[in-house]
Amino acid sequence: GPKVLQIPSHQIIDMGQMVTLNCDPVSNHLYFYWYKQILGQQMEFLVNFYNGKVMEKSKLFKDQFSVERPDGSYFTLKIQPTALEDSAVYFCASSWDRNTEVFFGKGTRLTVV
Amino acid sequence: GEQVEQRPPHLSVREGDSAVITCTYTDPNSYYFFWYKQEPGASLQLLMKVFSSTEINEGQGFTVLLNKKDKRLSLNLTAAHPGDSAAYFCAVSPIASSSFSKLVFGQGTSLSVVP
Repeated sequence: GPKVLQIPSHQIIDMGQMVTLNCDPVSNHLYFYWYKQILGQQMEFLVNFYNGKVMEKSKLFKDQFSVERPDGSYFTLKIQPTALEDSAVYFCASSWDRNTEVFFGKGTRLTVV
Repeated sequence: GEQVEQRPPHLSVREGDSAVITCTYTDPNSYYFFWYKQEPGASLQLLMKVFSSTEINEGQGFTVLLNKKDKRLSLNLTAAHPGDSAAYFCAVSPIASSSFSKLVFGQGTSLSVVP
């Protein structure tokens, strides 16, 4: 079936540095999402993105976070600067429309040290 | 906002037995409900999408029940087999006019089916 690919699967970064998480969504999808899951806790919505713009974001989507999808390439989540509490698994997802099935990637485990 | 509580966090059953996972939610206006399965090393796979208008939904080897009065959603795996071993997540889309694009997830249940 359709696959959302996330690269890399695990990333370790020094606190204060910038990190970019990459997501290759399903090819004809138009809506894109990031979710965050801290170890042992539930997955939480961060942001959704459509037509080059953030549509909705949660309070977890701090000012240090940004998303973009330049020229239809990877959908990225950038954190600058990173903090220890940003350590989590970040899941990317995409859907064709806002009310169609959402497909998730396997997640990127981010460890901030 | 919407809160979703999922129980149990861990569940071990014997092959052939049933396994029941339950989620309770707080927003009475929630309209769409989902169950996802995540096998080790794999991404979330949609098992079933449930609308609030339907109380009983049957899939292949499982049944999803929605009790709107009690705000409870349950996944009942009938005659579980080792291939059902995985993490299961419920998710709720908070309001009727919203999209699937802002899901509220339960904490997940790690199911182990032993031969």
